[in-house]
Amino acid sequence: GEDVEQSLFLSVREGDSSVINCTYTDSSSTYLYWYKQEPGAGLQLLTYIFSNMDMKQDQRLTVLLNKKDKHLSLRIADTQTGDSAIYFCAESYTGGFKTIFGAGTRLFVKA
Amino acid sequence: KAGVTQTPRYLIKTRGQQVTLSCSPISGHRSVSWYQQTPGQGLQFLFEYFSETQRNKGNFPGRFSGRQFSNSRSEMNVSTLELGDSALYLCASSLDGTREWEQYFGPGTRLTVT
Repeated sequence: GEDVEQSLFLSVREGDSSVINCTYTDSSSTYLYWYKQEPGAGLQLLTYIFSNMDMKQDQRLTVLLNKKDKHLSLRIADTQTGDSAIYFCAESYTGGFKTIFGAGTRLFVKA
Repeated sequence: KAGVTQTPRYLIKTRGQQVTLSCSPISGHRSVSWYQQTPGQGLQFLFEYFSETQRNKGNFPGRFSGRQFSNSRSEMNVSTLELGDSALYLCASSLDGTREWEQYFGPGTRLTVT
């Protein structure tokens, strides 16, 4: 079945690295995503990774995918107070036309 | 180019009423998906439309319906509103629904049912 799980809260100090973890169950997932949601706003796609990739780096963001363990992580380097938000892990598959989201991890960045 | 727009942004309705929400996708996008976001259930997929046809549907009761017009604008309707329908309703558009990584979300419509 389809299920995406992630921890609910993470607190880090400004300047440290943040690592948000996610596990998914659908082995047929083709695409995995990280979205960011700030208060009162919609979802912003941060980055995505195809299931045939192990890692993707985009400026301060690094995504690691362990397909064997169905584990996805998002590392934010040099975390800033502006990174405080809810981060959603999500999966979809080719032809599925829908995206399954995790419950979201609320990231608190302490100055 | 303009992003995904949703109207209205906020809505207050009473139990038993019905409501219609509107979503205008990014110009050129033909796929529109709808999601319900609540604190308890998180983000749940409602349905997806492409070329005026519903291609996929989530696990919601028949009170939730939608449609898409020839200009790709989409509406969703909720009839006989219940308190539990209070949520943020998000729509997302993409070119044709297959390039999922290019799915863009609107700001949402916050529906409160009293």
